[in-house]
Amino acid sequence: SQQGEEDPQALSIQEGENATMNCSYKTSINNLQWYRQNSGRGLVHLILIRSNEREKHSGRLRVTLDTSKKSSSLLITASRAADTASYFCATDASSGNTPLVFGKGTRLSVIA
Amino acid sequence: GAGVSQTPSNKVTEKGKYVELRCDPISGHTALYWYRQSLGQGPEFLIYFQGTGAADDSGLPNDRFFAVRPEGSVSTLKIQRTERGDSAVYLCASSPRGPNEQFFGPGTRLTVL
Repeated sequence: SQQGEEDPQALSIQEGENATMNCSYKTSINNLQWYRQNSGRGLVHLILIRSNEREKHSGRLRVTLDTSKKSSSLLITASRAADTASYFCATDASSGNTPLVFGKGTRLSVIA
Repeated sequence: GAGVSQTPSNKVTEKGKYVELRCDPISGHTALYWYRQSLGQGPEFLIYFQGTGAADDSGLPNDRFFAVRPEGSVSTLKIQRTERGDSAVYLCASSPRGPNEQFFGPGTRLTVL
């Protein structure tokens, strides 16, 4: 079963606009990560935020985490056509190497 | 350096046949994971190895699915008596001991006719 739900399921924006994707999860977590997937194949790790962190930045990416609401958001600023992909949040429940539980993903289309 | 590789990239088989999917993790990564992704869904966990042993196989859907990692590196996912519902992309990931950032391979797309 899947832990999280991404919202929206699909998002279409113009190049240069910001894209915001949200993720909600059900149980307590240790970390929350965001991954990107092109064309339904391999996933690329984008960013990891720990349960005791509230916000993290990496380049054009900004992730927030609200453990009281069991939710996270991924913001991509100044989007580019190359950002077109599916984005997934994934959680793990304990420290160290553990399986990830993924949401269903948001399909982002950035139109040039 | 080299990333996670998976072979074959595509596999078409007939219902009832046996298939093997291979994963070569990043050298030195102790943890190896198998996930399955159906169309329009996120990846779902199947099994995870720490070294040679299966640390958690709770995601395997039934006893037709089995995976091995005999030398703590390459892993093979084996599916017996394939069914049409097994059609999916099978993803492998590895991670070093400690941090849980997982590095994914390109996946094997399995189609059962």
